[in-house]
Amino acid sequence: QKEVEQDPGPLSVPEGAIVSLNCTYSNSAFQYFMWYRQYSRKGPELLMYTYSSGNKEDGRFTAQVDKSSKYISLFIRDSQPSDSATYLCAMKGMNSGYSTLTFGKGTMLLVSP
Amino acid sequence: DAGVTQSPTHLIKTRGQQVTLRCSPISGHKSVSWYQQVLGQGPQFIFQYYEKEERGRGNFPDRFSARQFPNYSSELNVNALLLGDSALYLCASSLGRGNTGELFFGEGSRLTVL
Repeated sequence: QKEVEQDPGPLSVPEGAIVSLNCTYSNSAFQYFMWYRQYSRKGPELLMYTYSSGNKEDGRFTAQVDKSSKYISLFIRDSQPSDSATYLCAMKGMNSGYSTLTFGKGTMLLVSP
Repeated sequence: DAGVTQSPTHLIKTRGQQVTLRCSPISGHKSVSWYQQVLGQGPQFIFQYYEKEERGRGNFPDRFSARQFPNYSSELNVNALLLGDSALYLCASSLGRGNTGELFFGEGSRLTVL
């Protein structure tokens, strides 16, 4: 079993839809959770950064962490064609001693006009 | 402000050759990490450097090496290239060594090994 599981998609939605992206993980030591957006042939761009369980909102984006279920989510409201990209979840532990991220495979999102 | 910059952006090598990739972190960032992203996969951790010292190493063979310079820029070297080394190599910088720092990625260097 991989440490971080993420459905690769593609996930196709119409413009304006609410998008739900998810990851599950197996390592209970993970404490910090991130979502990155990666456009084709570009580097990942940090979208959301959360610590431990709970919700965090930033504009159209909401990140949720449920540590009891080892499950994290990213919601995108009022999706736009410009949101079409690959979304990577990433996480790291408290005691790793350095800033190592463990990534999921990424979910490709396609938002059609 | 400039983000993380990497060079070259694209390069093609043949099996057995050696390659050097370069990275300049965001101004004020002292930590640089390197990741390998194979097509269709998430990035995988290779190295982290902080204050010119190696602070972490991922599960990569000794053919991979790196260093950090006094100005905090970094180089990643890969010797005896294999076809499987074809990937996007990403550099990320953060303020410090600790776990709470956010990582900011560059655009990457796309390596093709023929």
